Amino acid sequence: AQKVTQAQTEISVVEKEDVTLDCVYETRDTTYYLFWYKQPPSGELVFLIRRNSFDEQNEISGRYSWNFQKSTSSFNFTITASQVVDSAVYFCALGRDSSYKLIFGSGTRLLVRP
Amino acid sequence: ETGVTQTPRHLVMGMTNKKSLKCEQHLGHNAMYWYKQSAKKPLELMFVYSLEERVENNSVPSRFSPECPNSSHLFLHLHTLQPEDSALYLCASSQDTGSDEQFFGPGTRLTVL
Repeated sequence: AQKVTQAQTEISVVEKEDVTLDCVYETRDTTYYLFWYKQPPSGELVFLIRRNSFDEQNEISGRYSWNFQKSTSSFNFTITASQVVDSAVYFCALGRDSSYKLIFGSGTRLLVRP
Repeated sequence: ETGVTQTPRHLVMGMTNKKSLKCEQHLGHNAMYWYKQSAKKPLELMFVYSLEERVENNSVPSRFSPECPNSSHLFLHLHTLQPEDSALYLCASSQDTGSDEQFFGPGTRLTVL
């Protein structure tokens, strides 16, 4: 069975704090793909990152970084020095070659207070 | 226009109305998707089209009828909807299968009275 769990429903931080959003996935596939999306209040889901199962290198993009650990089936997302504009719902998702369907987590709502 | 566009952005309709949602992608992708996002529910995949052929239909009621006339356009025809169908309807496209990232449109906020 394929499943994505985002246990943190809501997180509230003060601006400039670092925050980590957790994502745990379940799959029996050896080849799979992990994604993070951001959904601001406007509603559009914005693609942030794609990672395939053979690439465990951590990635950094500006204030964003991702930690992929196959040993714990986790793909966590850290925002460094958070800003009010980071306030959004963040979704983690799991995909596979043989299906068009992405398995989305339930999302984590991040509120960054000034 | 770039990316994925959706019209209208907001729609209010009665239960007996017929309306259509439109999606257009300018990315040269092969696959297009309709999702439903209700308050406090996970994203629900409704339909998937690949090269204009429907490849997934996730037990969606027949009052929702998709149409994909070409690989750049996707419609969702609505007829005799219920108030519980009120939601954000999101369109997305991807190059191919679930190995590829999906790019989403801004959504249509639908209210059924």
